[in-house]
Amino acid sequence: KQEVTQIPAALSVPEGENLVLNCSFTDSAIYNLQWFRQDPGKGLTSLLLIQSSQREQTSGRLNASLDKSSGRSTLYIAASQPGDSATYLCAVGSGGYQKVTFGTGTKLQVIP
Amino acid sequence: GAVVSQHPSRVICKSGTSVKIECRSLDFQATTMFWYRQFPKQSLMLMATSNEGSKATYEQGVEKDKFLINHASLTLSTLTVTSAHPEDSSFYICSARGWGGANYGYTFGSGTRLTVV
Repeated sequence: KQEVTQIPAALSVPEGENLVLNCSFTDSAIYNLQWFRQDPGKGLTSLLLIQSSQREQTSGRLNASLDKSSGRSTLYIAASQPGDSATYLCAVGSGGYQKVTFGTGTKLQVIP
Repeated sequence: GAVVSQHPSRVICKSGTSVKIECRSLDFQATTMFWYRQFPKQSLMLMATSNEGSKATYEQGVEKDKFLINHASLTLSTLTVTSAHPEDSSFYICSARGWGGANYGYTFGSGTRLTVV
């Protein structure tokens, strides 16, 4: 059974700082890994999708890396802004039907 | 890009009644849809996998008779919470995976906040 863990559970940083969110998974036989953000009481917004054959993806100030063999992914946020404050979820697609297993989430607060 | 529409966004119902939540893929065909539940301050937990034209596959611990899932077409899946009770109050969210496009990831609906009183 796939298990996904995110560290840290919560993070508070001053505006402008670069930061790294971590995601680890137990079963390396994955199809893809996706990073989402969730604002309070809202649905999910997809940030980056990394296929199992890829090592990283970039979108604007965001960069996500994937190391399948070690079961790890990181989300790098450059020059953080207050608008980045949200909960960030890592989701791994694996197994039959490419079932998605979510991580525990990292709640980020960027202080102006 | 791929869009998934979920309705209603919020619903309040009386204990004992049933509530239906719809999940539609607007611009792609979704052979598989997933239903999740999220309790406050917790991550999303998969409830069931819905495949077009066949019975849904439920995760361990999820009552199939209570959470009825129907995936009658390639663009629509519904989740019906039957005989709802206050403990069913939660945030329900669906996702869909489509084939044939550049995006092979998962697109999520905006979620439904269910409150049972």
